[in-house]
Amino acid sequence: RKEVEQDPGPFNVPEGATVAFNCTYSNSASQSFFWYRQDCRKEPKLLMSVYSSGNEDGRFTAQLNRASQYISLLIRDSKLSDSATYLCAVDSSASKIIFGSGTRLSIRP
Amino acid sequence: DTGVSQDPRHKITKRGQNVTFRCDPISEHNRLYWYRQTLGQGPEFLTYFQNEAQLEKSRLLSDRFSAERPKGSFSTLEIQRTEQGDSAMYLCASSESPNIGYTFGSGTRLTVV
Repeated sequence: RKEVEQDPGPFNVPEGATVAFNCTYSNSASQSFFWYRQDCRKEPKLLMSVYSSGNEDGRFTAQLNRASQYISLLIRDSKLSDSATYLCAVDSSASKIIFGSGTRLSIRP
Repeated sequence: DTGVSQDPRHKITKRGQNVTFRCDPISEHNRLYWYRQTLGQGPEFLTYFQNEAQLEKSRLLSDRFSAERPKGSFSTLEIQRTEQGDSAMYLCASSESPNIGYTFGSGTRLTVV
């Protein structure tokens, strides 16, 4: 089993829709969780950290479920510019984070 | 210094040649990471430095790979006797703390022909 697993998608949704992704992790001792966004042929960029209480940044909401070992990302009122690959990342040890394979999102007009 | 810099951006090399990549992290970040990413996959961890000490290496890092961070500032990643399977994007990242996520450089795209 991979340490971090994501549905690869693609998710193809109309502009203005709400879309949600989940990501599961295997290490119950993990303490730090992140969502990164990666555009085609670019580097990953940190979208948001995921806190135990859940957190929101504009149209983006991230949540953590420790009991079931997954994190989620919700995007409301999606824009064409939200089209990208979304990478889930979880700390594997005190020294590094492990990334999922990413979920591709395509927003259509 | 506003970000992580990597050089070169692209490298095409013949199989069997040696290549070296450079990464300049954000200056106040003492942690530096190398990852490798292939098409359709997420970044895979290769190695990690805290200051000049290499604290962890992935099993992905075969004997042909070596990384250094001699003065705790920039880092180099060398691949000896390149193979076609080494073709990938090599990403460098730095951070002050693993709890606040990493900043990635633009990557070096390696193509072995």
